[in-house]
Amino acid sequence: GAVVSQHPSWVICKSGTSVKIECRSLDFQATTMFWYRQFPKQSLMLMATSNEGSKATYEQGVEKDKFLINHASLTLSTLTVTSAHPEDSSFYICSARGRDSLYEQYFGPGTRLTVT
Amino acid sequence: AQSVAQPEDQVNVAEGNPLTVKCTYSVSGNPYLFWYVQYPNRGLQFLLKYITGDNLVKGSYGFEAEFNKSQTSFHLKKPSALVSDSALYFCAVRDNGWDNDMRFGAGTRLTVKP
Repeated sequence: GAVVSQHPSWVICKSGTSVKIECRSLDFQATTMFWYRQFPKQSLMLMATSNEGSKATYEQGVEKDKFLINHASLTLSTLTVTSAHPEDSSFYICSARGRDSLYEQYFGPGTRLTVT
Repeated sequence: AQSVAQPEDQVNVAEGNPLTVKCTYSVSGNPYLFWYVQYPNRGLQFLLKYITGDNLVKGSYGFEAEFNKSQTSFHLKKPSALVSDSALYFCAVRDNGWDNDMRFGAGTRLTVKP
């Protein structure tokens, strides 16, 4: 089946620094990628949707200048949290959908970000 | 816009008993419905989906769900619960459009006691 990987699986950074999270589709071409954020004991909240080669579409309330999303190729999307603050600490999950997958959306294992 | 509700934060069942995790949805068109399971500090694992066809959908690990259009529900069920089924379960819905994203319910924590 389709596999989505994320790197790193966890990261600790200092307040004010930036951190990049990678999301890769390993065995299919991801025409659309999604980034979700999950706080402890809460559901997944969609942050943004990106199509390969296009600018990401951000959900209301998500700062596009803070959460930079790049979907430069059909197998890679990156989320950069700029000038991170402790309140950005969360579990970030990416998801990908392929060209031929009308229904399927495959999820990465998530990245735990802790900002100190 | 599509939305999904999971009315129970927590479901507790004894091992060997049947379990049900409830989900209701709201969409403007025809729904695509999904169930995922999440273990601690892990991503989501796909259990099953309803797109069209038979209202009773069978999925991974012995789970099944029944699509009920009149009640706009898609409850997850399993005839005999295992302790290893204890996890966080999410119901999700997409409207039947190619570009529509998936919306998740708040999640239900299932605890199966020995």
